[in-house]
Amino acid sequence: AQSVSQHNHHVILSEAASLELGCNYSYGGTVNLFWYVQYPGQHLQLLLKYFSGDPLVKGIKGFEAEFIKSKFSFNLRKPSVQWSDTAEYFCAVIVSISNFGNEKLTFGTGTRLTIIP
Amino acid sequence: DTGVSQDPRHKITKRGQNVTFRCDPISEHNRLYWYRQTLGQGPEFLTYFQNEAQLEKSRLLSDRFSAERPKGSFSTLEIQRTEQGDSAMYLCASSLGTTFLLQTGELFFGEGSRLTVL
Repeated sequence: AQSVSQHNHHVILSEAASLELGCNYSYGGTVNLFWYVQYPGQHLQLLLKYFSGDPLVKGIKGFEAEFIKSKFSFNLRKPSVQWSDTAEYFCAVIVSISNFGNEKLTFGTGTRLTIIP
Repeated sequence: DTGVSQDPRHKITKRGQNVTFRCDPISEHNRLYWYRQTLGQGPEFLTYFQNEAQLEKSRLLSDRFSAERPKGSFSTLEIQRTEQGDSAMYLCASSLGTTFLLQTGELFFGEGSRLTVL
């Protein structure tokens, strides 16, 4: 079964600092990868996704992520964070198998990001 | 608000009692998912429905848990004889389409129902 690892549990940065959150998955086949974000008091929402094609994907609010197949990684980046980026970030994977039983997202444990003004 | 709505938002109960959560997905969304999230963990898959059919149940879902989606619209998640270990946030999400992978890959989440078992 697929799994997702996020090794950064809590990251604290100052505004304007650059951000990189790690995400590794364990599955050797074709995968679809996602980053979801949960702002304080709000529901989970999609930040960006990778299905195929260009391994560098751009999402909302200036976030981007790079899929590196050889490293089984899908790290999230932002060149300059803002206070409003304070949130919890979850990496998720779905295996590209068309049969039923894999039609679900598997989430990592999440990374709490705190931005200091 | 036309998003996914969940009720109640917070439930406090005593061990051994039964609780039921309701989820109203976005209108016309065929897929409905239940996840559970505990402190410091990501959402864990519990079960999902394609219209009224329950297509998969996680091994996390013990016999005390049951979910229904009787008319393919709203869904309920019932926990019988609650235990302290059931304390968690129960998340509902929905998506459009018969095959998740052919769609945008986006799940639309509700704000969750927090269960506290004393």
